[in-house]
Amino acid sequence: AQSVAQPEDQVNVAEGNPLTVKCTYSVSGNPYLFWYVQYPNRGLQFLLKYITGDNLVKGSYGFEAEFNKSQTSFHLKKPSALVSDSALYFCAVRSSGNTPLVFGKGTRLSVIA
Amino acid sequence: EPEVTQTPSHQVTQMGQEVILRCVPISNHLYFYWYRQILGQKVEFLVSFYNNEISEKSEIFDDQFSVERPDGSNFTLKIRSTKLEDSAMYFCASSEAGGPVIEQFFGPGTRLTVL
Repeated sequence: AQSVAQPEDQVNVAEGNPLTVKCTYSVSGNPYLFWYVQYPNRGLQFLLKYITGDNLVKGSYGFEAEFNKSQTSFHLKKPSALVSDSALYFCAVRSSGNTPLVFGKGTRLSVIA
Repeated sequence: EPEVTQTPSHQVTQMGQEVILRCVPISNHLYFYWYRQILGQKVEFLVSFYNNEISEKSEIFDDQFSVERPDGSNFTLKIRSTKLEDSAMYFCASSEAGGPVIEQFFGPGTRLTVL
């Protein structure tokens, strides 16, 4: 069975500092990994995905994520956080075929000015 | 930028009542989904829909649930007889194609409260 773990419910970071939001996954077969962000009163917005190839994936708003197969991780990163990055971040995974998208619980990121 | 929209944003109902949650997917998308998130828990897949029929459903999606695309734009989730444990945020999503590598686009959600 597929699963995703986001070990931190809340991440606090000062504006301008680098941020990391952690995600680990478990799938049988090849993983297809996604990050979504949710701002207040908005839907889940797609940030980036890993399918294959380069382990470092770049996405929207300056975010990137690093796929690490040996650690089964897909941590979301940004070199310099903005206050406007404050939101709820979801990691999700699918495997091949028609398996559904499986989400983590979400991590609330708070960027403090 | 096209968006998935959902109505209502918040629905309060009495236990045992029927509710219909509405979604308008992105217009050129062909695959439609419903997910839910109980407060403090993970976002869970309920059902996927393509070509006017259910393509996948989870264990949560029992006989109390149904989905329909009544016209060319709306996609609805009906809960026939709501239970307290149906209280959750319900998200609709759509994608232009199927398969594991295609990102899904989500609506803002409907918060369902069952009293």
